[in-house]
Amino acid sequence: EVQLVESGGGLVQPGRSLKLSCAASGFTFSNYYMAWVRQAPKKGLEWVATISTSGSRTYSPDSVKGRFTISRDNAKSSLYLQMNSLKSEDAATYYCSRQNNTGTTDYWGQGVMVTVSS
Amino acid sequence: DIVMTQSPSSLAVSTGETVTINCKSSQRLLSSGNQKNYLAWYQQKPGQSPKLLIYLASTRESGVPDRFIGSGSGTDFTLTISSVQAEDLADYYCQQHYSYPLTFGSGTKLEI
Repeated sequence: EVQLVESGGGLVQPGRSLKLSCAASGFTFSNYYMAWVRQAPKKGLEWVATISTSGSRTYSPDSVKGRFTISRDNAKSSLYLQMNSLKSEDAATYYCSRQNNTGTTDYWGQGVMVTVSS
Repeated sequence: DIVMTQSPSSLAVSTGETVTINCKSSQRLLSSGNQKNYLAWYQQKPGQSPKLLIYLASTRESGVPDRFIGSGSGTDFTLTISSVQAEDLADYYCQQHYSYPLTFGSGTKLEI
């Protein structure tokens, strides 16, 4: 059974940093692209970042480029999201997700909440 | 960036009815290489994570009931839910998986 378990969320002040982690199990982690998707309270879904199987390629939208860094450790079947210079608009539930070979996110974690407030 | 425009934003239906949700992309999602449309549909029930329903516009994910039907090509796509059940109460999102940045529609809230 595919499982994605996020951790590392919490309350952080604007301008500070936070690192999210995602522990994957139930599949061969190193064979899949992985992604982070977020959802602000009562809002829709927003893709945040994707990383290739080896970690050599990453993709992210302009809204987080230069502030957020996605990374992975295939030996530990873990995905990470380093978030720097956080803004109030980054407050959301962050989902770890698996991308299949068509680029679709086929499995999602339960999500971890990030609150940005002074 | 490809903009996804989804309609309606909300929809109230009775069980047993057929529902149609529309999604329009600002660019064609059809790959010239394999003639497939890179459009997905997700369902998000209250308090839960999103769940993949449909990908490549019309391919149903394993385990998804056959009352969920994806159709369309190019820039215009539709999710049809035939004989809506009470358990289908959820938000529905379309997403293009044709190119980065990946983008979602704004969602449709289905009320039963």
